[in-house]
Amino acid sequence: KAGVTQTPRYLIKTRGQQVTLSCSPISGHRSVSWYQQTPGQGLQFLFEYFSETQRNKGNFPGRFSGRQFSNSRSEMNVSTLELGDSALYLCASSAIGGRLDYTFGSGTRLTVV
Amino acid sequence: DQQVKQNSPSLSVQEGRISILNCDYTNSMFDYFLWYKKYPAEGPTFLISISSIKDKNEDGRFTVFLNKSAKHLSLHIVPSQPGDSAVYFCAVLSGNTGKLIFGQGTTLQVKP
Repeated sequence: KAGVTQTPRYLIKTRGQQVTLSCSPISGHRSVSWYQQTPGQGLQFLFEYFSETQRNKGNFPGRFSGRQFSNSRSEMNVSTLELGDSALYLCASSAIGGRLDYTFGSGTRLTVV
Repeated sequence: DQQVKQNSPSLSVQEGRISILNCDYTNSMFDYFLWYKKYPAEGPTFLISISSIKDKNEDGRFTVFLNKSAKHLSLHIVPSQPGDSAVYFCAVLSGNTGKLIFGQGTTLQVKP
């Protein structure tokens, strides 16, 4: 079956702009989690969506937001971009969350200049 | 506050020898402990896990040990191979919250 698809793979934005990243989970998976990976910080949890509802949230400012659609696809939005937002953004899908079936996409590499 | 810590940013071992990667956590209520392996430009891939009710789980060359009293887990790779060179993340999973929380990662280099 198809894996987790993240688009775009690479993105360059200017400070102050906003960006939207997309994640299509494995078919049948209803939970989508988002992570930010930066050097030295590992993978930091942003939020999790399940059945179109945000179920968990990490410690990120309100500039980071997300949503999930009825087909379980999820988008993540970052407004008023800062240089420190440059990172690899990963999403992971799971059937219902809280189990051992998390599968990650290849990520979107965001560079803010 | 970091709930999962990998205090060694990097580790270098010789091919054929044992690699030991360590991880500490703060919350004794986690249900599962996992290890992921990540290559550059790819997402993390699941390697091995252990339930909080066990103290050892083995899968081929990979063994994970859990010391609940010390809130410590480790991943042993024996024998290490050059293809094992990657970033290894430990993670904890709370079945109640459904959150998968990662450490900072350890870069393993296995030299031929």
